[in-house]
Amino acid sequence: AQSVTQLGSHVSVSEGALVLLRCNYSSSVPPYLFWYVQYPNQGLQLLLKYTSAATLVKGINGFEAEFKKSETSFHLTKPSAHMSDAAEYFCAVKSSYGKLTFGQGTILTVHP
Amino acid sequence: EAQVTQNPRYLITVTGKKLTVTCSQNMNHEYMSWYRQDPGLGLRQIYYSMNVEVTDKGDVPEGYKVSRKEKRNFPLILESPSPNQTSLYFCASSGTPDRTDTQYFGPGTRLTVL
Repeated sequence: AQSVTQLGSHVSVSEGALVLLRCNYSSSVPPYLFWYVQYPNQGLQLLLKYTSAATLVKGINGFEAEFKKSETSFHLTKPSAHMSDAAEYFCAVKSSYGKLTFGQGTILTVHP
Repeated sequence: EAQVTQNPRYLITVTGKKLTVTCSQNMNHEYMSWYRQDPGLGLRQIYYSMNVEVTDKGDVPEGYKVSRKEKRNFPLILESPSPNQTSLYFCASSGTPDRTDTQYFGPGTRLTVL
């Protein structure tokens, strides 16, 4: 079975500071990993995905994530937070029959 | 515009009153799925469909039914809703179930069962 754990249900940063959202996975097969963002009262939007092509994945809105097999991690980062980044972020791993298994989510708050 | 639509967006109902949440996609996707989102639990899969007339249970299927008579539509049916089905529901679709394929999500349906 595959699973994902997001460390920290709430993360708070100042505008302009580094954003780091942590995700660790468990999978008996090479994982395919996704980060989604959910803005208030909206659906989920894909930020980026890892499909084994490159370990450093760049996504939309300046976000990127690095796949580290030795650490079973896929942490999401952004060098400089913006107020518009405030949202809930979900890490997910995808199975061979299409199911996304999500982490618990991390709410990002950005302070002026 | 390529999109997944859900209706209604908000619904308040009472225990036992049958309801249907519709989901439609205009991208000719084969794969469709329903998830529910609960605080602290992330999203969990309810049912999925690989193609027309092909559906299967996800992780939390109890109390739900689905059908896939047309490729574009994948309604979620609650025949006798209970308060523990109060949740935020998302429909999603992708071209195929392939692990590299991106799933696109609808805007969500917030259901309250009294």
